[in-house]
Amino acid sequence: NAGVTQTPKFQVLKTGQSMTLQCAQDMNHEYMSWYRQDPGMGLRLIHYSVGAGITDQGEVPNGYNVSRSTTEDFPLRLLLAAPSQTSVYFCASSYSRNSLNTEAFFGQGTRLTVV
Amino acid sequence: AQRVTQPEKLLSVFKGAPVELKCNYSYSGSPELFWYVQYSRQRLQLLLRHISRESIKGFTADLNKGETSFHLKKPFAQEEDSAMYYCAPAGGTSYGKLTFGQGTILTVHP
Repeated sequence: NAGVTQTPKFQVLKTGQSMTLQCAQDMNHEYMSWYRQDPGMGLRLIHYSVGAGITDQGEVPNGYNVSRSTTEDFPLRLLLAAPSQTSVYFCASSYSRNSLNTEAFFGQGTRLTVV
Repeated sequence: AQRVTQPEKLLSVFKGAPVELKCNYSYSGSPELFWYVQYSRQRLQLLLRHISRESIKGFTADLNKGETSFHLKKPFAQEEDSAMYYCAPAGGTSYGKLTFGQGTILTVHP
């Protein structure tokens, strides 16, 4: 059981470039979300999804785009990378109707540097 | 608005000393409360949740609805407890969008 898989682990981008952070889970979870972790700021929610085809903005959505075409995948797209997006990104999933388990499971994180 | 406050960004104790990580929350409804931990170079993982009323790795947390607090405690800290700790309330569809505090970095010195 792989849990939540995030790729890549590390990435360096130039300002203005775009890229997609991948997130996949194999636990049949309905809820998936993306967070960024910055020193002194904790974890801030970027976007989230409560099911396939449904997404919504979190606390810091600007500059990011998401889609949820399947239950398993929830990619995060950076449209025009900026140095302010230098951060560590975490994907999380939770809640399966079958188990009613509300624990959130996290990916290993992506350390992104925008130069 | 949902809000979580962890007043200590940094907390240092010596091995064997008691430790308390504070968490206060503001949340509509009756949330489920979680503590998540992130050890060095590892992913976040669940430490404990209030409905389980269990002790994990010697840690306990009591939910005080009157004070809206969910402080994490351990009577005798160990060096391996050094980590980042996050408090997070959640409920209903908010299980998909956890609200985290800014986290507390606990360092346990030998």
